[in-house]
Amino acid sequence: EIALTQSPDTLSLSPGERAALSCRASQSVNNNYLAWYQQGPGQAPRLVIYGASSRATGIPDRFSGSGSGTDFTLTISRLEPEDFTVYYCQQYGSAPRTFGQGTKLEIK
Amino acid sequence: QVQLVQSGAEVQKPGASVRVSCKASGYTFVDYFMQWIRQAPGQGLEFMGWINLRSGDPGYTQKFQGRVTMTRDTSISTAYLDLSRLESGDTAVYFCARAAIGHPNDFWGQGTLVTVSS
Repeated sequence: EIALTQSPDTLSLSPGERAALSCRASQSVNNNYLAWYQQGPGQAPRLVIYGASSRATGIPDRFSGSGSGTDFTLTISRLEPEDFTVYYCQQYGSAPRTFGQGTKLEIK
Repeated sequence: QVQLVQSGAEVQKPGASVRVSCKASGYTFVDYFMQWIRQAPGQGLEFMGWINLRSGDPGYTQKFQGRVTMTRDTSISTAYLDLSRLESGDTAVYFCARAAIGHPNDFWGQGTLVTVSS
């Protein structure tokens, strides 16, 4: 089972700033099948990035993903108020699929 | 449009069983897998397993082996999660999510809160 470790646990930034969230895998993620999800309070997760760098339908272009192998990053270029919530990475290249523990993005 | 609609909240006693349903619409049901993920209060996402909706073959993570059963009824495009021998630690929101091999979970149900309390 591939373990995913996200850092930091909490990131405090201001609207308009740039955010970089990290996800590190315990072994290489097959085909870079790494996704990022955004989850608001009381809501289901929403797919943001898949295949490490492809934006999901309807996701603004201020969201971008990068990385390969074991190290991945979600970047939000200019934070909007609605971006301050929790983000999870997931690998779907090996069974069982696994999630990182989450990064909470909070307003500074 | 693709929709996954789950059954309502449940309250169960320790030792009991619970069934959560997930009704799909807006796509060809059997062309995908259904996966189940749970989230305890204030915690992260935990992957429980999946079911191949065409064949009915399930796959469970080791933690839930022996306590979980995933089934489906293709005639009504509905997937089911059964969890037995409930404990307080099973209190969580349970999500169904569509998936395919090599594809992420692109659509999710709204979640079903299962509370285990005496």
